[in-house]
Amino acid sequence: QQQVKQSPQSLIVQKGGISIINCAYENTAFDYFPWYQQFPGKGPALLIAIRPDVSEKKEGRFTISFNKSAKQFSLHIMDSQPGDSATYFCAASYNTDKLIFGTGTRLQVFP
Amino acid sequence: GAGVSQSPSNKVTEKGKDVELRCDPISGHTALYWYRQSLGQGLEFLIYFQGNSAPDKSGLPSDRFSAERTGGSVSTLTIQRTQQEDSAVYLCASSYPVLDEQYFGPGTRLTVT
Repeated sequence: QQQVKQSPQSLIVQKGGISIINCAYENTAFDYFPWYQQFPGKGPALLIAIRPDVSEKKEGRFTISFNKSAKQFSLHIMDSQPGDSATYFCAASYNTDKLIFGTGTRLQVFP
Repeated sequence: GAGVSQSPSNKVTEKGKDVELRCDPISGHTALYWYRQSLGQGLEFLIYFQGNSAPDKSGLPSDRFSAERTGGSVSTLTIQRTQQEDSAVYLCASSYPVLDEQYFGPGTRLTVT
């Protein structure tokens, strides 16, 4: 019940396209859903996060869509750029507790 | 301001030796977390410190792993009698009290030969 399932494992997108990464969770007590971006050799960097009281949050080219009834949330990267090539992790937590991470998606954006 | 720092950045050790990994959280952050990232894997929670409360050790994989936090700031993760399966990147994160956002350090890459 603590798992967060992430898909796809890898994603190849052309420059200017839309990248979509999906996550699903089981624990309805989760109240915080962040996305992290990780470049090789670096620690994960917080990208954007959402709480279950809203269905969408947008920051620049990055949007989280949240479906509480389906227990799913997704990251959309609009106008994908080669500099977006990285590994993306979704996560979930409850009441500022530890983060439960998805298994990651390796995104490659080709020019 | 300064972010989370970790040292060393890389550590190579022989099987059976003990290692200590250090984390300096962001100033003012009272919550500190340790995670482990094995090659090609996601991040696995190890231990969580929040202020003066007893730490949440529920993610430690064996009794060879321990951690302490001195003065509510710096934390040290100790692995005793290291095994090859302990090879991974050990990541530290910190956050403000009652806020969810966790900020990660660059990690320590541990290689057990």
